[in-house]
Amino acid sequence: DTGVSQDPRHKITKRGQNVTFRCDPISEHNRLYWYRQTLGQGPEFLTYFQNEAQLEKSRLLSDRFSAERPKGSFSTLEIQRTEQGDSAMYLCASSLQGNAEAFFGQGTRLTVV
Amino acid sequence: AQTVTQSQPEMSVQEAETVTLSCTYDTSESDYYLFWYKQPPSRQMILVIRQEAYKQQNATENRFSVNFQKAAKSFSLKISDSQLGDAAMYFCAYRTPLNQAGTALIFGKGTTLSVSS
Repeated sequence: DTGVSQDPRHKITKRGQNVTFRCDPISEHNRLYWYRQTLGQGPEFLTYFQNEAQLEKSRLLSDRFSAERPKGSFSTLEIQRTEQGDSAMYLCASSLQGNAEAFFGQGTRLTVV
Repeated sequence: AQTVTQSQPEMSVQEAETVTLSCTYDTSESDYYLFWYKQPPSRQMILVIRQEAYKQQNATENRFSVNFQKAAKSFSLKISDSQLGDAAMYFCAYRTPLNQAGTALIFGKGTTLSVSS
């Protein structure tokens, strides 16, 4: 197991297009988190899954954002009708229930032009 | 709501010297976790050290140690014998106890540490 994997690493899209990112957590981890990080800032929480259930969503997660974790393994984050303000690094993290430590992927850097 | 504040946007240290990064937080909880994460340029975030609030003893991991002052809500990171590879962005983070909802990490804005030879 090589840790949390995110794909793609970089994405450039035109404003108004839809984009989808994928996260593969560490295999035995049942908790999965999505964060957004803008330049020079700390990551901000977007949403969290325990197995396939989406248990928490931040107010940052507008209705243009949707996340899924259909079989409790990998997760996808989709942004519809992208805006320039969506340009950021999108980080995925996973952890074991009962364990405080979260492991992060390398992130997907989104640029909206 | 819980908040995390890192008041030093940038810090610098020479190789082999010691540097301390500051972090304060605000919470009404009595039980929680605190973390320091390291994010090298264009690389993934990795955990440096963690502290459980119910433990009075300060955590240490090799050259990294913390000064946890619960009453003052302060959680600083000390890096001893600094190495060039320590250059990175360092984030202080807070999370609620594991048995509570809202288990996401709350991060500070980060401190960029540069190390010179």
